[in-house]
Parts: sequence; C-alpha cells; structure tokens
Amino acid sequence: AQKITQTQPGMFVQEKEAVTLDCTYDTSDQSYGLFWYKQPSSGEMIFLIYQGSYDEQNATEGRYSLNFQKARKSANLVISASQLGDSAMYFCARQDSNYQLIWGAGTKLIIKP
Amino acid sequence: EAEVAQSPRYKITEKSQAVAFWCDPISGHATLYWYRQILGQGPELLVQFQDESVVDDSQLPKDRFSAERLKGVDSTLKIQPAELGDSAMYLCASSAKTEDTQYFGPGTRLTVL
Repeated sequence: AQKITQTQPGMFVQEKEAVTLDCTYDTSDQSYGLFWYKQPSSGEMIFLIYQGSYDEQNATEGRYSLNFQKARKSANLVISASQLGDSAMYFCARQDSNYQLIWGAGTKLIIKP
Repeated sequence: EAEVAQSPRYKITEKSQAVAFWCDPISGHATLYWYRQILGQGPELLVQFQDESVVDDSQLPKDRFSAERLKGVDSTLKIQPAELGDSAMYLCASSAKTEDTQYFGPGTRLTVL
C-alpha cells in the first residue's frame, strides 16, 4: 500500500527552538508532489509548503523548509525559531498518480513558553 | 486574499435527521473536494468534482450521502439520515487544476446525537 508515515504522534518543543517533523512515504511513482499542512485546533487545514519530486532544491517558505531526501523517501518539515502559534497538528501528504492526496496520521506539535 | 468559504461552521443534529453543508471555492478553481476527518486522523476524500462533474466518489457512502456542484461553482454535501458515526469534521478544498495545491476552507464540525 502506498502510505505516508509520520512516526511522531506528539512533540513538545521549547519556544524559539527549531523543530523537525518526520515524514516518510512509499511510492513507485517517478513524479509526485509532497505537501505539508498545519491544522490548528480551530480545524482549518492550512497549506504550508510544497516539494516536487524533480525539484533540485529543497523548498523553503519563510520559517518553513522541507528536508527532501528522495532516495530515502523522506520529506521532513523543519520549522525554525518556533513560536507559540506553531502549536497545531501537522500533516504530510503525497499526491498519487491521480493527483489525489494520500495523508499521514499527523503529528501534534506543542510549543512550550 | 481569496479563501474557500464553508457554512455552517458547527452543526449539531440528532440521528436520522438530514444535514447539509455548503462550500464556495476560490474563484476560478475548477476542482473541488469534500473530505471527512475523524478526530486524530488524516482527512478522507469523499468526493472530487471537476467543474460540475464528479471525478471520484468511490468513498462516498451513497446510501446516505449526496453531493452536487450544479453550476460548477459552489457545492453542497448532504447526509440523510445522519448516523452517530457521521460525527466528524467535514472539509472542503479547491484547486485551480487537479494537479495544483489544494486550499481548504474552515470546515464544518458535525456532531450527531
């Protein structure tokens, strides 16, 4: 089965520290897209960052960067200088061959003041 | 900034009643998705529209769920009759094209008593 694995159900991080959220995936596709979304307690799913499998550079978007290692099939999200507002669920997702999203189970991140 | 609109934000109903959710995608977005998200899990795709046509409704429980996007713009998801197991967050998302990033609305949190 083509699945997404997020091995960290929950994480506590001190404010202002960097945090890495893990994501590994299983696919035989050569071309695909990888996404990270943030879901605060309010419920809205907020798009953070995208990485194409053929992109030569790791994606960056403000304090978010994606550590993409294609051979290892991993796409870890790095949040620099964490803030209290970063506390939320974080979901990794991969586009399948029909461009539909396959979702991980999520990681609950809590930032401590 | 363009957003996906959903209403209502919260809905409490009794089992066997009918409920309906509304979604207005970002203007110009051809592809619209309805997801169901059980607490603690990733979203599950219920139905995907391309303009007014259903592309995929393979996971939609068609005995009680229906979805339409008559003019290819806004969409309605209906449940009749609601069951206790339908309690979940219902998320709507849209993308300009099928292969593009999906942007989500605030969701409707349904509680069935």
